[in-house]
Amino acid sequence: GENVEQHPSTLSVQEGDSAVIKCTYSDSASNYFPWYKQELGKRPQLIIDIRSNVGEKKDQRIAVTLNKTAKHFSLHITETQPEDSAVYFCAAKIGTGTALIFGKGTTLSVSS
Amino acid sequence: EPEVTQTPSHQVTQMGQEVILRCVPISNHLYFYWYRQILGQKVEFLVSFYNNEISEKSEIFDDQFSVERPDGSNFTLKIRSTKLEDSAMYFCASSLTGLGEKLFFGSGTQLSVL
Repeated sequence: GENVEQHPSTLSVQEGDSAVIKCTYSDSASNYFPWYKQELGKRPQLIIDIRSNVGEKKDQRIAVTLNKTAKHFSLHITETQPEDSAVYFCAAKIGTGTALIFGKGTTLSVSS
Repeated sequence: EPEVTQTPSHQVTQMGQEVILRCVPISNHLYFYWYRQILGQKVEFLVSFYNNEISEKSEIFDDQFSVERPDGSNFTLKIRSTKLEDSAMYFCASSLTGLGEKLFFGSGTQLSVL
């Protein structure tokens, strides 16, 4: 079955720096790749997603890139702010299935 | 903004007991899901539900688990005979568009089996 690996597990940056989180997936039939942000004690919230027919998607300071050949996708956060501190999860979905396969999460800490 | 709500936020039970975790999905959503997260591990898919039947389930969702939509608003996960390894955070989610996309998660129920 599908396997999603996420790196790094922790990431510390200074306010204003960029942060990049990378995920790889194993099943070439995966076609949907969301990113979720989970603040301490709160629910996971969808922050951006991309489908396999698109190579990049941007929403203000957040962007996601997808390399289908290499089977990896990345989350880019520019001009980081302390409120970006959270756990970020990537996920992948295979074909017409309904199950999201999640990575283990990255704890991002932004210090001011 | 509409939210998925889950009750209770914490549930402590004895091994072998039955528990029911409750969820109220967003009102116009049609697709419902249960995920769980064991402490320090990945979020794992359990089951998806649409049109009053299970659409897909994982290997984790064995015979001790069941789901139900007893009325027009609630969506429940029942664990018949809890085991120690069932201790986890259980997340309910719902979506409008289906196919496991654009999921809105609840805040979770922390289940502790003693």
